[in-house]
Amino acid sequence: QKEVEQNSGPLSVPEGAIASLNCTYSDRGSQSFFWYRQYSGKSPELIMSIYSNGDKEDGRFTAQLNKASQYVSLLIRDSQPSDSATYLCAVNGWNSGAGSYQLTFGKGTKLSVIP
Amino acid sequence: GAVVSQHPSRVICKSGTSVKIECRSLDFQATTMFWYRQFPKQSLMLMATSNEGSKATYEQGVEKDKFLINHASLTLSTLTVTSAHPEDSSFYICSARGREIRAFFGQGTRLTVV
Repeated sequence: QKEVEQNSGPLSVPEGAIASLNCTYSDRGSQSFFWYRQYSGKSPELIMSIYSNGDKEDGRFTAQLNKASQYVSLLIRDSQPSDSATYLCAVNGWNSGAGSYQLTFGKGTKLSVIP
Repeated sequence: GAVVSQHPSRVICKSGTSVKIECRSLDFQATTMFWYRQFPKQSLMLMATSNEGSKATYEQGVEKDKFLINHASLTLSTLTVTSAHPEDSSFYICSARGREIRAFFGQGTRLTVV
């Protein structure tokens, strides 16, 4: 059973601070990792993808991947109230039964940015 | 990014009736589509995976005779909830993948069974 673990939160940070979201995964063969943002009652929105060890930056977002530790994180700099949402970590892996790659999601971390 | 359109966004139906949800990839060919269900305050749970032209593969615990999935073309997949009951009330989300590893989500369908 492939697992993706996240702290459920809530994680509260003041406006302008750095929010740090963490995720661990069990499938050592995973190659692709994603962070989605989901507002209440809405569908997830892809905000970052990362495929190789190290950091990947996109605007205020930085994804970090350490395959040896099976760990992926998301940093949000200069957090804004509009960043308040649930952040889902997703790991791509091969499902031999379905004959396709599929995403396994963590339960999500709820982030609250306090004005 | 690619566009996946899901319809309807909300539906209310009576217990015992069937509901069909459509998922369309508007600007790419979706060789694989995924259907998820999300109960309040819980994460996305994969229900089934379908490859175009093949029967869907259902996750453990998901009744294939109750949740009928059709993926007859590269741009359209449908999920039919048959004989719906109040416990089927949930947020259903489709996701589509083409050549890219990334999958793109539809807007989701809020189903309420009364």
